Amino acid sequence: SAVISQKPSRDICQRGTSLTIQCQVDSQVTMMFWYRQQPGQSLTLIATANQGSEATYESGFVIDKFPISRPNLTFSTLTVSNMSPEDSSIYLCSAAPPAGLNGYTFGSGTRLTVV
Amino acid sequence: AQSVSQHNHHVILSEAASLELGCNYSYGGTVNLFWYVQYPGQHLQLLLKYFSGDPLVKGIKGFEAEFIKSKFSFNLRKPSVQWSDTAEYFCAVNAGSSNTGKLIFGQGTTLQVKP
Repeated sequence: SAVISQKPSRDICQRGTSLTIQCQVDSQVTMMFWYRQQPGQSLTLIATANQGSEATYESGFVIDKFPISRPNLTFSTLTVSNMSPEDSSIYLCSAAPPAGLNGYTFGSGTRLTVV
Repeated sequence: AQSVSQHNHHVILSEAASLELGCNYSYGGTVNLFWYVQYPGQHLQLLLKYFSGDPLVKGIKGFEAEFIKSKFSFNLRKPSVQWSDTAEYFCAVNAGSSNTGKLIFGQGTTLQVKP
């Protein structure tokens, strides 16, 4: 399975600022995804990061708030913009492997606290 | 829209007890099904997956799951749990015949195993 390096692992940020989270995959993957896991809750898909085209956002998430980049098949970033305390959460990236391999791989997550 | 429902939100068992966690999904077409585990302070790990073939799939650490298409279910089982199985368990579904595309997660089940 692909291995994903995600950073930062945690951060404490002031409201109104922005944070960019990076994910680096050790092999080329077709699709990458960004999830949010709020305290005590399940994973909610924010968007699908497509290489060479704009990200596809899920209902309730918008590009201005969560801009995503996917410059190549091994790297993606998620920016949490103009942060408020409600954005405090764990953010995870995931990669979809080529067909036939093991299931999706997840990064270790970024624990964000907005104060 | 696809959805995944996990019936048990918090399960408490004694060591050596048998485990069954329910998972139902809503999607009428071909699905790929997954169970992930998240140990305290760690990232998501794949327990097992079903793509096609034998509906009874075996995963790591003695876990298994049975896909029952007529019931839209993919319940997770383990004959005898251990204290080290204490974790959060997530069922996830990906619609489509190929191993690509977004995963939709259930709400998660917290399993607490008492020594």
